Amino acid sequence: GIQVEQSPPDLILQEGANSTLRCNFSDSVNNLQWFHQNPWGQLINLFYIPSGTKQNGRLSATTVATERYSLLYISSSQTTDSGVYFCAVIFGNEKLTFGTGTRLTIIP
Amino acid sequence: ETGVTQSPTHLIKTRGQQVTLRCSSQSGHNTVSWYQQALGQGPQFIFQYYREEENGRGNFPPRFSGLQFPNYSSELNVNALELDDSALYLCASSSTLAGEQFFGPGTRLTVL
Repeated sequence: GIQVEQSPPDLILQEGANSTLRCNFSDSVNNLQWFHQNPWGQLINLFYIPSGTKQNGRLSATTVATERYSLLYISSSQTTDSGVYFCAVIFGNEKLTFGTGTRLTIIP
Repeated sequence: ETGVTQSPTHLIKTRGQQVTLRCSSQSGHNTVSWYQQALGQGPQFIFQYYREEENGRGNFPPRFSGLQFPNYSSELNVNALELDDSALYLCASSSTLAGEQFFGPGTRLTVL
Protein backbone atom coordinates (compact mmCIF):
# COMPACT_ATOMS: atom_id res chain seq x y z
CA GLY A 1 0.00 0.00 0.00
CA ILE A 2 0.87 3.66 -0.10
CA GLN A 3 3.42 4.68 2.53
CA VAL A 4 3.89 8.19 3.91
CA GLU A 5 6.44 8.48 6.69
CA GLN A 6 7.45 11.55 8.64
CA SER A 7 10.48 12.22 10.77
CA PRO A 8 11.24 12.92 13.47
CA PRO A 9 8.12 11.79 15.35
CA ASP A 10 8.81 14.27 18.15
CA LEU A 11 10.89 17.43 18.28
CA ILE A 12 11.49 19.71 21.25
CA LEU A 13 13.21 23.03 20.59
CA GLN A 14 14.00 26.28 22.31
CA GLU A 15 12.20 29.38 21.08
CA GLY A 16 14.19 30.96 18.27
CA ALA A 17 15.64 27.71 16.95
CA ASN A 18 15.24 26.42 13.41
CA SER A 19 13.84 23.03 12.47
CA THR A 20 13.49 20.72 9.48
CA LEU A 21 10.67 18.20 9.20
CA ARG A 22 10.82 15.44 6.61
CA CYS A 23 8.16 13.52 4.68
CA ASN A 24 9.00 10.45 2.60
CA PHE A 25 6.45 8.89 0.25
CA SER A 26 6.47 5.67 -1.70
CA ASP A 27 5.16 6.70 -5.14
CA SER A 28 4.74 9.63 -7.52
CA VAL A 29 2.24 12.18 -6.23
CA ASN A 30 -0.30 14.54 -7.76
CA ASN A 31 -0.77 16.48 -4.56
CA LEU A 32 1.31 17.06 -1.45
CA GLN A 33 0.17 19.29 1.36
CA TRP A 34 1.66 20.31 4.69
CA PHE A 35 -0.68 21.01 7.59
CA HIS A 36 -0.32 22.29 11.13
CA GLN A 37 -2.88 20.85 13.53
CA ASN A 38 -3.53 23.19 16.43
CA PRO A 39 -4.51 22.03 19.94
CA TRP A 40 -8.20 22.31 19.05
CA GLY A 41 -7.82 19.92 16.13
CA GLN A 42 -8.06 22.39 13.27
CA LEU A 43 -5.89 21.46 10.31
CA ILE A 44 -4.33 24.63 8.97
CA ASN A 45 -3.02 24.62 5.41
CA LEU A 46 0.64 25.54 5.26
CA PHE A 47 1.66 24.57 1.73
CA TYR A 48 0.28 22.89 -1.38
CA ILE A 49 3.52 21.72 -2.93
CA PRO A 50 3.56 18.63 -5.21
CA SER A 51 6.95 19.84 -6.47
CA GLY A 52 9.36 22.75 -6.12
CA THR A 53 9.95 25.24 -3.35
CA LYS A 54 7.64 27.73 -1.65
CA GLN A 55 8.08 30.21 1.16
CA ASN A 56 5.62 31.90 3.46
CA GLY A 57 7.18 34.10 6.11
CA ARG A 58 9.23 31.97 8.52
CA LEU A 59 8.09 28.77 6.85
CA SER A 60 9.28 27.24 3.63
CA ALA A 61 8.86 23.87 1.96
CA THR A 62 10.61 21.90 -0.74
CA THR A 63 9.35 18.82 -2.53
CA VAL A 64 11.72 16.72 -4.65
CA ALA A 65 9.18 14.59 -6.46
CA THR A 66 11.76 12.47 -8.32
CA GLU A 67 13.32 11.43 -5.00
CA ARG A 68 9.96 11.14 -3.21
CA TYR A 69 10.45 13.43 -0.27
CA SER A 70 9.40 16.80 1.02
CA LEU A 71 10.92 19.05 3.68
CA LEU A 72 9.26 21.69 5.83
CA TYR A 73 11.55 24.35 7.31
CA ILE A 74 10.57 26.47 10.27
CA SER A 75 12.90 29.31 11.16
CA SER A 76 13.05 31.36 14.36
CA SER A 77 10.50 29.10 16.09
CA GLN A 78 7.81 30.64 18.27
CA THR A 79 5.70 28.97 20.95
CA THR A 80 2.68 29.29 18.66
CA ASP A 81 4.43 26.93 16.23
CA SER A 82 3.85 24.09 18.68
CA GLY A 83 1.51 21.35 17.55
CA VAL A 84 1.46 18.42 15.17
CA TYR A 85 2.65 18.81 11.60
CA PHE A 86 1.27 16.46 8.95
CA CYS A 87 2.19 15.95 5.37
CA ALA A 88 -0.47 14.36 3.18
CA VAL A 89 -0.33 13.13 -0.39
CA ILE A 90 -2.64 12.09 -3.19
CA PHE A 91 -1.54 9.42 -5.64
CA GLY A 92 -3.47 9.62 -8.91
CA ASN A 93 -7.05 10.56 -8.12
CA GLU A 94 -7.10 8.67 -4.87
CA LYS A 95 -7.66 9.79 -1.34
CA LEU A 96 -5.47 12.16 0.64
CA THR A 97 -3.18 9.91 2.67
CA PHE A 98 -1.68 11.42 5.80
CA GLY A 99 1.74 10.79 7.19
CA THR A 100 2.49 9.75 10.73
CA GLY A 101 2.96 13.33 11.93
CA THR A 102 5.69 15.24 13.78
CA ARG A 103 4.85 16.65 17.19
CA LEU A 104 6.73 19.93 17.64
CA THR A 105 7.08 21.50 21.07
CA ILE A 106 8.65 24.97 21.35
CA ILE A 107 9.89 25.87 24.83
CA PRO A 108 10.01 29.57 25.82
CA GLU B 1 -15.03 33.88 0.99
CA THR B 2 -16.47 31.48 3.60
CA GLY B 3 -14.31 28.55 4.61
CA VAL B 4 -15.39 25.01 5.39
CA THR B 5 -17.80 24.81 8.30
CA GLN B 6 -18.95 21.81 10.31
CA SER B 7 -21.70 21.20 12.82
CA PRO B 8 -22.06 20.36 15.57
CA THR B 9 -18.76 21.11 17.30
CA HIS B 10 -19.15 18.40 19.92
CA LEU B 11 -21.52 15.50 20.28
CA ILE B 12 -22.05 12.82 22.90
CA LYS B 13 -23.95 9.65 21.98
CA THR B 14 -24.43 6.22 23.47
CA ARG B 15 -23.51 2.91 21.89
CA GLY B 16 -26.06 1.75 19.30
CA GLN B 17 -27.36 5.22 18.49
CA GLN B 18 -27.16 6.95 15.14
CA VAL B 19 -25.50 10.30 14.38
CA THR B 20 -25.48 12.81 11.52
CA LEU B 21 -22.63 15.26 11.03
CA ARG B 22 -22.83 18.17 8.62
CA CYS B 23 -20.34 20.02 6.46
CA SER B 24 -20.60 23.09 4.26
CA SER B 25 -17.93 23.26 1.60
CA GLN B 26 -15.91 26.33 0.71
CA SER B 27 -17.47 28.54 -1.94
CA GLY B 28 -16.71 27.22 -5.44
CA HIS B 29 -15.72 23.74 -4.26
CA ASN B 30 -17.59 20.71 -5.62
CA THR B 31 -15.67 17.93 -3.85
CA VAL B 32 -16.08 16.98 -0.19
CA SER B 33 -14.08 14.36 1.69
CA TRP B 34 -14.60 13.02 5.21
CA TYR B 35 -11.90 11.82 7.58
CA GLN B 36 -11.84 10.18 11.01
CA GLN B 37 -9.04 11.06 13.39
CA ALA B 38 -8.66 8.92 16.50
CA LEU B 39 -6.71 10.30 19.43
CA GLY B 40 -2.97 10.39 18.72
CA GLN B 41 -3.29 9.32 15.11
CA GLY B 42 -3.43 10.93 11.70
CA PRO B 43 -6.71 11.43 9.85
CA GLN B 44 -8.05 8.38 8.01
CA PHE B 45 -10.06 8.74 4.80
CA ILE B 46 -13.71 7.66 5.07
CA PHE B 47 -15.14 8.65 1.67
CA GLN B 48 -15.30 11.39 -0.90
CA TYR B 49 -18.24 12.97 -2.75
CA TYR B 50 -17.92 14.65 -6.12
CA ARG B 51 -20.93 16.30 -7.74
CA GLU B 52 -23.32 14.40 -5.43
CA GLU B 53 -21.84 10.95 -6.18
CA GLU B 54 -19.59 8.88 -3.92
CA ASN B 55 -16.12 8.85 -5.47
CA GLY B 56 -13.96 6.56 -3.41
CA ARG B 57 -14.23 4.99 0.00
CA GLY B 58 -11.70 4.05 2.64
CA ASN B 59 -11.68 1.00 4.88
CA PHE B 60 -14.86 1.80 6.81
CA PRO B 61 -17.96 -0.43 7.23
CA PRO B 62 -21.28 0.30 5.46
CA ARG B 63 -22.77 1.77 8.64
CA PHE B 64 -20.74 4.85 7.67
CA SER B 65 -22.70 6.53 4.88
CA GLY B 66 -22.93 9.96 3.35
CA LEU B 67 -24.71 12.37 1.09
CA GLN B 68 -23.79 15.40 -0.93
CA PHE B 69 -26.43 17.96 -1.79
CA PRO B 70 -26.83 20.14 -4.92
CA ASN B 71 -25.17 23.05 -3.09
CA TYR B 72 -22.20 20.66 -2.41
CA SER B 73 -22.74 20.57 1.33
CA SER B 74 -22.50 17.09 2.79
CA GLU B 75 -23.61 14.81 5.61
CA LEU B 76 -21.86 11.91 7.28
CA ASN B 77 -24.17 9.37 8.92
CA VAL B 78 -23.00 6.69 11.30
CA ASN B 79 -25.42 3.97 12.40
CA ALA B 80 -25.14 1.55 15.32
CA LEU B 81 -22.45 3.60 17.03
CA GLU B 82 -19.59 1.72 18.67
CA LEU B 83 -17.18 2.93 21.35
CA ASP B 84 -14.34 2.96 18.78
CA ASP B 85 -16.25 5.52 16.70
CA SER B 86 -15.23 8.13 19.27
CA ALA B 87 -12.99 10.47 17.29
CA LEU B 88 -12.61 13.84 15.62
CA TYR B 89 -14.46 13.86 12.30
CA LEU B 90 -13.02 16.21 9.72
CA CYS B 91 -14.53 17.42 6.49
CA ALA B 92 -12.48 18.87 3.65
CA SER B 93 -13.45 20.49 0.39
CA SER B 94 -11.57 21.09 -2.83
CA SER B 95 -12.26 22.52 -6.26
CA THR B 96 -10.93 19.45 -8.09
CA LEU B 97 -10.59 15.76 -7.22
CA ALA B 98 -6.85 15.85 -6.53
CA GLY B 99 -6.63 19.54 -5.73
CA GLU B 100 -5.67 21.34 -2.55
CA GLN B 101 -7.98 20.39 0.28
CA PHE B 102 -9.23 22.79 2.94
CA PHE B 103 -10.46 21.43 6.25
CA GLY B 104 -13.23 22.44 8.57
CA PRO B 105 -12.79 22.71 12.35
CA GLY B 106 -14.11 19.20 12.93
CA THR B 107 -16.80 17.53 15.04
CA ARG B 108 -15.63 15.74 18.15
CA LEU B 109 -17.82 12.67 18.72
CA THR B 110 -17.81 10.80 22.01
CA VAL B 111 -19.59 7.45 22.22
CA LEU B 112 -20.36 6.21 25.73
